[in-house]
Amino acid sequence: GQNIDQPTEMTATEGAIVQINCTYQTSGFNGLFWYQQHAGEAPTFLSYNVLDGLEEKGRFSSFLSRSKGYSYLLLKELQMKDSASYLCAALDSNYQLIWGAGTKLIIKP
Amino acid sequence: NAGVTQTPKFRVLKTGQSMTLLCAQDMNHEYMYWYRQDPGMGLRLIHYSVGEGTTAKGEVPDGYNVSRLKKQNFLLGLESAAPSQTSVYFCASKEASGVTDTQYFGPGTRLTVL
Repeated sequence: GQNIDQPTEMTATEGAIVQINCTYQTSGFNGLFWYQQHAGEAPTFLSYNVLDGLEEKGRFSSFLSRSKGYSYLLLKELQMKDSASYLCAALDSNYQLIWGAGTKLIIKP
Repeated sequence: NAGVTQTPKFRVLKTGQSMTLLCAQDMNHEYMYWYRQDPGMGLRLIHYSVGEGTTAKGEVPDGYNVSRLKKQNFLLGLESAAPSQTSVYFCASKEASGVTDTQYFGPGTRLTVL
């Protein structure tokens, strides 16, 4: 079967760094997405990785290891507005997104 | 550009009632999707469309029907609502595969079935 695993909840301090991990098992693989979702709002696109390695975009970076079925999202210099759920999703062989349940990130002052 | 819009934003139904959720996008995207999001679960695909006049079943299609008569609109119908259909419904769209697979989401419809 197809499966995405990520932690349910994480807590971090304002100004710190946090890493949110995601492991995936899919029928075929065409890339890994990270989305941010604030409470009561729609998911918004953060990053896409299809090749192994690190992609950096401002305070956010995303890493992919295809051989390990593993990705992480790294958030630096945390701000209160980063409090949100972070959704990991893998694109399978049919180009359908398989979604994780999301990681709720709580930022404390 | 408005992006992806959904109507209504909120709705309360009684068991057995019917309703239609409307999704519209102004980005000329080929693909459109309907998802439901429930607490503790990932987004689950209900139905999708790869172009005007086409529809296909997703992971959880039972109890729902869809239509894509115009490229910019994707309708989701509940013929006889059940309490298990209480959820937040999101519509999304993207360009054709191979161009970019990034999906863009509407603001959601919060549906309660009593």
